[in-house]
Amino acid sequence: AQSVTQPDIHITVSEGASLELRCNYSYGATPYLFWYVQSPGQGLQLLLKYFSGDTLVQGIKGFEAEFKRSQSSFNLRKPSVHWSDAAEYFCAVSSSNTGKLIFGQGTTLQVKP
Amino acid sequence: NAGVTQTPKFRILKIGQSMTLQCTQDMNHNYMYWYRQDPGMGLKLIYYSVGAGITDKGEVPNGYNVSRSTTEDFPLRLELAAPSQTSVYFCASRSPEGRDAKNIQYFGAGTRLSVL
Repeated sequence: AQSVTQPDIHITVSEGASLELRCNYSYGATPYLFWYVQSPGQGLQLLLKYFSGDTLVQGIKGFEAEFKRSQSSFNLRKPSVHWSDAAEYFCAVSSSNTGKLIFGQGTTLQVKP
Repeated sequence: NAGVTQTPKFRILKIGQSMTLQCTQDMNHNYMYWYRQDPGMGLKLIYYSVGAGITDKGEVPNGYNVSRSTTEDFPLRLELAAPSQTSVYFCASRSPEGRDAKNIQYFGAGTRLSVL
């Protein structure tokens, strides 16, 4: 069965520090992979996506993610975190047919001043 | 461009009441989705639609119904509200064509529902 696991429920980093949020997936074929961000009381905003090709993808707000097929991972990174990055982050996988998204449990990021 | 609009933003229901969560999109997207979000659980798909007149169940459809009479609207109906339906509900849409073809979904701001 398809699934997405985000091992870290909460992460706290200091402003200016680097960030890595982990995502592991289980999928039978080549997946479409996504990272979404949700600010408090808001909907979900797409940060970046991977469909094929270059395994290092760039997104908005200075985020990037690397697809590693051998590890079934799609970890999200940012070199220097800003206080405005505090939010909940969701990794998701979808199929090419219906586009139904399967989400991980989410990781809540807290940024210390 | 409004994107995906959900109403209401908040609602409190009593057990056994019914209500309809509204979702409309102005992007002419064929595909629309309803998810619910519970703490620590991520988002789960309730129903989806690939076009007007066509709907299908997602992962957690029990207790809900949908219809899709137009491309723009995809309402979600709760017939007999139960405390287990207390959640945040998100509607999303995507286009199968053009630069957004690769399954990029656009989300509404959500409806926070409490059933007491």
